[in-house]
Amino acid sequence: DGGITQSPKYLFRKEGQNVTLSCEQNLNHDAMYWYRQDPGQGLRLIYYSQIVNDFQKGDIAEGYSVSREKKESFPLTVTSAQKNPTAFYLCASSLWTDTEAFFGQGTRLTVV
Amino acid sequence: KQEVTQIPAALSVPEGENLVLNCSFTDSAIYNLQWFRQDPGKGLTSLLLIQSSQREQTSGRLNASLDKSSGRSTLYIAASQPGDSATYLCAVRPGGTASKLTFGTGTRLQVTL
Repeated sequence: DGGITQSPKYLFRKEGQNVTLSCEQNLNHDAMYWYRQDPGQGLRLIYYSQIVNDFQKGDIAEGYSVSREKKESFPLTVTSAQKNPTAFYLCASSLWTDTEAFFGQGTRLTVV
Repeated sequence: KQEVTQIPAALSVPEGENLVLNCSFTDSAIYNLQWFRQDPGKGLTSLLLIQSSQREQTSGRLNASLDKSSGRSTLYIAASQPGDSATYLCAVRPGGTASKLTFGTGTRLQVTL
């Protein structure tokens, strides 16, 4: 089945640790995105990538890093510099940057 | 800066009712608008995409309209069912370099038996 797979579904992080969230798509989409969702707020863009080996900061990139070494993969690292990392993280992709966006099932990150 | 507002924040209707969800945006220079559905604890499911040149799009019991000049879109759900209960989000994509979807905070819909 074509789609976007995020893993893990739940992730627990200790203070001071870096963690990496996985996002894989088999839709042959060029563009991929990471969003953060907090209760009562709209989704906010962290990073996006229009093509392999290229990515751009979104509105809230501080404390996060990404890579785009393969077309199908766009992992997000939440670093210890992120002050408030507890949130629901959503990965998305689209054929190009102005076409319909599709989302994965999300990863819920909790700092313990 | 583009801002997207969805009113009401929550809505409860009995099964079988037709209903309208509203989405407004402050900058009319959009490339397209997309409606999504989100079930609790899940990702977003794309419902409809309307290009800026279109007035409406239909999929089954769903109909989305777009009035770009007034900065508004509506999602019409016909003959609502309990399975329609979810949060509905709208998002706009700007013109120009595109890329960034700006989301509203959603309308939480409950359809009761």
